[in-house]
Amino acid sequence: GQQLNQSPQSMFIQEGEDVSMNCTSSSIFNTWLWYKQDPGEGPVLLIALYKAGELTSNGRLTAQFGITRKDSFLNISASIPSDVGIYFCAGPGTSYGKLTFGQGTILTVHP
Amino acid sequence: NAGVTQTPKFQVLKTGQSMTLQCAQDMNHEYMSWYRQDPGMGLRLIHYSVGAGITDQGEVPNGYNVSRSTTEDFPLRLLSAAPSQTSVYFCASSYSWPSHSYNEQFFGPGTRLTVL
Repeated sequence: GQQLNQSPQSMFIQEGEDVSMNCTSSSIFNTWLWYKQDPGEGPVLLIALYKAGELTSNGRLTAQFGITRKDSFLNISASIPSDVGIYFCAGPGTSYGKLTFGQGTILTVHP
Repeated sequence: NAGVTQTPKFQVLKTGQSMTLQCAQDMNHEYMSWYRQDPGMGLRLIHYSVGAGITDQGEVPNGYNVSRSTTEDFPLRLLSAAPSQTSVYFCASSYSWPSHSYNEQFFGPGTRLTVL
């Protein structure tokens, strides 16, 4: 089946630093999604990407749909303590409406 | 809009007990799904529904049943709870194809289940 590999698995950074994480797929995707999960909450959609090469921003977050359609990147600029959480990439699964999720990147921000 | 709501938020069961996790959405989404989240495993799809009266299995359906009698509700039933079903369960919903955003799923707050 389809697999998404996220890296890194965890990150420990200082407030104010920039963050980069990526996601790679074993197959081509036509959509990439990035979610954030706060502790004790459900995932919240941050950015959706629909076109190869697309670069989309949401505040301090920027995500890119890789040209090969097998990868995507998420960058967070000038991190703040509330950026703490788990970041998941996701893409359409093998059937309509099914999403495949990466294992997640755990982000810790030290004040 | 309340979005996607789930009840209960926490639940402890004994092995062999049955229970139903409730999920409701008020966004008139046709697509609804159930995931379980375990440490290091990401989110894994249990069951999903593309509309009232239609359900199908995801990657980890064993031990769970679902039904979809209305657009708004999508309950998940554990028939005979096992310790391996200790997990956090999330319900999600989205618009359906051909909506441009049919992959953009909205998640509920989760139910934390412990089976002893």
